[in-house]
Amino acid sequence: DADVTQTPRNRITKTGKRIMLECSQTKGHDRMYWYRQDPGLGLRLIYYSFDVKDINKGEISDGYSVSRQAQAKFSLSLESAIPNQTALYFCATSSSGLQETQYFGPGTRLLVL
Amino acid sequence: QKEVEQDPGPLSVPEGAIVSLNCTYSNSAFQYFMWYRQYSRKGPELLMYTYSSGNKEDGRFTAQVDKSSKYISLFIRDSQPSDSATYLCAMSAYYNQGGKLIFGQGTELSVKP
Repeated sequence: DADVTQTPRNRITKTGKRIMLECSQTKGHDRMYWYRQDPGLGLRLIYYSFDVKDINKGEISDGYSVSRQAQAKFSLSLESAIPNQTALYFCATSSSGLQETQYFGPGTRLLVL
Repeated sequence: QKEVEQDPGPLSVPEGAIVSLNCTYSNSAFQYFMWYRQYSRKGPELLMYTYSSGNKEDGRFTAQVDKSSKYISLFIRDSQPSDSATYLCAMSAYYNQGGKLIFGQGTELSVKP
């Protein structure tokens, strides 16, 4: 079984709709992240959480919100989706340690019409 | 100007070629440098991690950091079709700071049999 899972894998929605992307991990890591990936722009950080009670904005948090329901679960919400939020979304996890490595999920492909 | 610049390619090489992938950056505070590999429809995975200037070798892969020129490279020797992927550089100024990773745009590599 995959260590970092994301649901759904693909989603088509309409402008103005609220949607939630979910991430679960079995790695026991305390840190979790949400990124979006766009062609030519690479990975950009939306939000990150160092533990259940710690939520931080990343580079591009406007239009997004998150919830850390448990150490293993981190959800990303688009309150009112717009077409320029069409992108590939990745969840990642890491643990604090000597070498910090981020482990990525398989991604969610989102299309906002 | 982006903090991290990476030629997006695409780069196409014959099997067995030496591949050179590069990133330049503007923030002299960056000390931790990573290369991630991303196969099509998958999340990125850490390939190499280096601290400060110098070289690091792992099998067919060599990572080089030149902090004086603000330039990092990844060399792949004896490239194989299985190396076909997008390669993303990432860097951080602070140890163990999780969400402070800055990614390049990614270079798409294709190794032809």
